[in-house]
Amino acid sequence: EVQLVESGGGLVQPGGSLRLSCAAAGFAFSNYEMNWVRQAPGKGLEWVSYISSSGSTIFYADSVKGRFTISRDAAKNSLFLLMNSLRDEDTAVYYCARTTGYSFDQKKNDFWGQGTLVSVSS
Amino acid sequence: SYVLTQPPSLSMAPGQTAMITCGGNNIAVKTVHWYQQKPGQAPVLVVHDDSDRPSGIPERFSGSNSGDTATLTISRVEAGDEADYYCQVWDSSRDHWVFGGGTKVTVL
Repeated sequence: EVQLVESGGGLVQPGGSLRLSCAAAGFAFSNYEMNWVRQAPGKGLEWVSYISSSGSTIFYADSVKGRFTISRDAAKNSLFLLMNSLRDEDTAVYYCARTTGYSFDQKKNDFWGQGTLVSVSS
Repeated sequence: SYVLTQPPSLSMAPGQTAMITCGGNNIAVKTVHWYQQKPGQAPVLVVHDDSDRPSGIPERFSGSNSGDTATLTISRVEAGDEADYYCQVWDSSRDHWVFGGGTKVTVL
């Protein structure tokens, strides 16, 4: 059974940092691309960042570029999101998602974790 | 940037057909994926590549994509279909994924 479990969320002051983790199980993690997607309270889904299976290709949403860093550790079957210079508008539930598809146009998130809440407030 | 437009809400009685639209400029040339999100839960992929269903998703869920509109159709709507539904595409001009704003489906 595919499992994705996020952790590392919490309350942080504006300008602070957090590192989110996503532990994967039940599939060959090193063979899959991964995404982070967030959802602000009462709002819709927003794509945050993508990493290829090898880690060689990375994309970021404009809203987080230069502040967030995505990475992965195949030995630990884990995905990470390092978030620096956090702002109020980064407050959201952050989901990690497994991504499949041959071309980028075909890539979709076929399994999602339950999410971890990040609250940015003074 | 590429924008996807969804109606904020839809309401229908059980047994009716729900058609959730996702508008975008010439969206027909893109590949559309659809997610269902029930309150307090993570999203679930219900239709991918315009019209394919993942295993375990009922045949009542179907998708189409033509012109400037992609559509997720839920036939014979049930109370358990109450959820928010999101469309998603890849914006190749910016190497970004884009989600629609979501449609809240209410079964009366």
